[in-house]
Amino acid sequence: AQSVTQPDIHITVSEGASLELRCNYSYGATPYLFWYVQSPGQGLQLLLKYFSGDTLVQGIKGFEAEFKRSQSSFNLRKPSVHWSDAAEYFCAVGAWTNAGKSTFGDGTTLTVKP
Amino acid sequence: EAGVAQSPRYKIIEKRQSVAFWCNPISGHATLYWYQQILGQGPKLLIQFQNNGVVDDSQLPKDRFSAERLKGVDSTLKIQPAKLEDSAVYLCASSFGGSGETQYFGPGTRLLVL
Repeated sequence: AQSVTQPDIHITVSEGASLELRCNYSYGATPYLFWYVQSPGQGLQLLLKYFSGDTLVQGIKGFEAEFKRSQSSFNLRKPSVHWSDAAEYFCAVGAWTNAGKSTFGDGTTLTVKP
Repeated sequence: EAGVAQSPRYKIIEKRQSVAFWCNPISGHATLYWYQQILGQGPKLLIQFQNNGVVDDSQLPKDRFSAERLKGVDSTLKIQPAKLEDSAVYLCASSFGGSGETQYFGPGTRLLVL
């Protein structure tokens, strides 16, 4: 069975600082990997996804993530955080046979200090 | 383009009562998903439809939950009878195709069972 661990429940960064959110997954084959953002009143939105190919994936809003098979990780990064990035972030893993059946982590809440 | 619509947005019921949620996906999207998101956790897939057929319902508590998508467009999720632990946000999402396609989420229905 697939699973996702987001080790950091809450992260606080200063505006303009860099950001890295950690995600570790467990899956027996090549996974589909996703990062979503959930803002109050705005629902859940896909930031980026990895299926195959280049292990560095670019997403919307200036985010990127790197797939590291040897570490079973898919960490999300942003070089300079904006106050509007404050939200909850979810990593998810999908099965090769059905990426739609994604398993989500429990999320990391990002607070941005002015 | 209109997004995924859900109603109601909020619902408060007493345990053992029944409740129904409605979802209208983005026009032309063949795949529809229902998720349950308990406070402090990531979304959990309950059921996935492809047109009007069920692709996966392995995590749907079938003794009390049911869902249908009769004409392959909008969908209804029902809980009967509700338990306290069903208090959660119920999210509907849709995608154009199946596996790997970007899922677009609705705003959710927040259910409180007293």
